[in-house]
Amino acid sequence: AQSVAQPEDQVNVAEGNPLTVKCTYSVSGNPYLFWYVQYPNRGLQFLLKYITGDNLVKGSYGFEAEFNKSQTSFHLKNPSALVSDSALYFCAVRDEGGGADGLTFGKGTHLIIQP
Amino acid sequence: SAVISQKPSRDICQRGTSLTIQCQVDSQVTMMFWYRQQPGQSLTLIATANQGSEATYESGFVIDKFPISRPNLTFSTLTVSNMSPEDSSIYLCSVEDGRVSYEQYFGPGTRLTVT
Repeated sequence: AQSVAQPEDQVNVAEGNPLTVKCTYSVSGNPYLFWYVQYPNRGLQFLLKYITGDNLVKGSYGFEAEFNKSQTSFHLKNPSALVSDSALYFCAVRDEGGGADGLTFGKGTHLIIQP
Repeated sequence: SAVISQKPSRDICQRGTSLTIQCQVDSQVTMMFWYRQQPGQSLTLIATANQGSEATYESGFVIDKFPISRPNLTFSTLTVSNMSPEDSSIYLCSVEDGRVSYEQYFGPGTRLTVT
């Protein structure tokens, strides 16, 4: 079975500083990895994905994530955080090798950017 | 990306009753999914709904409790049957946009409260 771990319930960063939100995964086959963001009282928005190719993927709003196969990680990064980036971030995985085509989500990490 | 709408956006229901949630997409999509987000928790896949076949349910979810219809490539419904307070959640539909590989986009969700 596939699983996703987001070890931090909350990450606090001062505005303008770099941020990292951690994610590790477990799948039996090759992983398809995703980050989503959920703003208060709004739907879930797609940020970025890793399917194949370059390990560093870039997404919306200046976010990027690095796929590390040996560490089974897909950490989300932003070199300069904005207060408006404060939200709930979810990492998700799908196993290319089969099983459900739906996504397995981590429990989410609250990102708080302090002015 | 596909534009997804859900009806109702929220509802308060009495235990023992049923609620049907509608999901409408602005383009034809092969794969649609239903997720549940319980208060303060992550998203959990309920089932995959493909047109022309029975929905595929994840472990812990059964058709009698969550019947799903998928009459065409732009529409699906999820019914929450014989509701109890434990069914209070946000229910989200999502679609995999065939124009962009493996990306899933989510509707705004239906916030259900069972009293």
